[in-house]
Amino acid sequence: DAGVIQSPRHEVTEMGQEVTLRCKPISGHDYLFWYRQTMMRGLELLIYFNNNVPIDDSGMPEDRFSAKMPNASFSTLKIQPSEPRDSAVYFCASANTGTGKDTQYFGPGTRLTVL
Amino acid sequence: GENVEQHPSTLSVQEGDSAVIKCTYSDSASNYFPWYKQELGKGPQLIIDIRSNVGEKKDQRIAVTLNKTAKHFSLHITETQPEDSAVYFCAASIGISNTGNQFYFGTGTSLTVIP
Repeated sequence: DAGVIQSPRHEVTEMGQEVTLRCKPISGHDYLFWYRQTMMRGLELLIYFNNNVPIDDSGMPEDRFSAKMPNASFSTLKIQPSEPRDSAVYFCASANTGTGKDTQYFGPGTRLTVL
Repeated sequence: GENVEQHPSTLSVQEGDSAVIKCTYSDSASNYFPWYKQELGKGPQLIIDIRSNVGEKKDQRIAVTLNKTAKHFSLHITETQPEDSAVYFCAASIGISNTGNQFYFGTGTSLTVIP
């Protein structure tokens, strides 16, 4: 399997611009998670989906952040407008609970820099 | 909610020595404890996991122990090698439930193996 795929790997943008991060989970996985990683806060869970439905978005920091999962093979995390404090590495992870396991598999991440 | 604490935050060992990283958790309902290794510029990768019905699990040079009564679990790496140098994260989860499938991560341990 190809693993979790994220794009772009690196994104540099200016404050106020819209940023869209993309994720393709492992085929057949029913859970998808978006995390943010910074030195100060470590790994923070932003939102997660089960069968394309958002389950818990309490980690989304502000209304500037939104996430969608239109189908089982694609999800986006959007920041509009972006701010310098949004600079971080954003990870997507997926899990297949159909086998009774809940192990999460992470993608390579998107390093976002907001100038 | 669950609170996971991880110690130490940094650890340096000589090549060939053992390394131990410890985590504690607060929610007695947690029953799944994965460990992730994150190398520079990459996403966290699962290296070993343990469920609450098992006290110890071993995979070659890596082992994890769990003490449910004391609510702590540990990662043991024996015969360390320079390629073991990375950041290690522990996590706790109550597994698949009506409330979802959320992992609670520790703050990470930066392990350096000195050749």
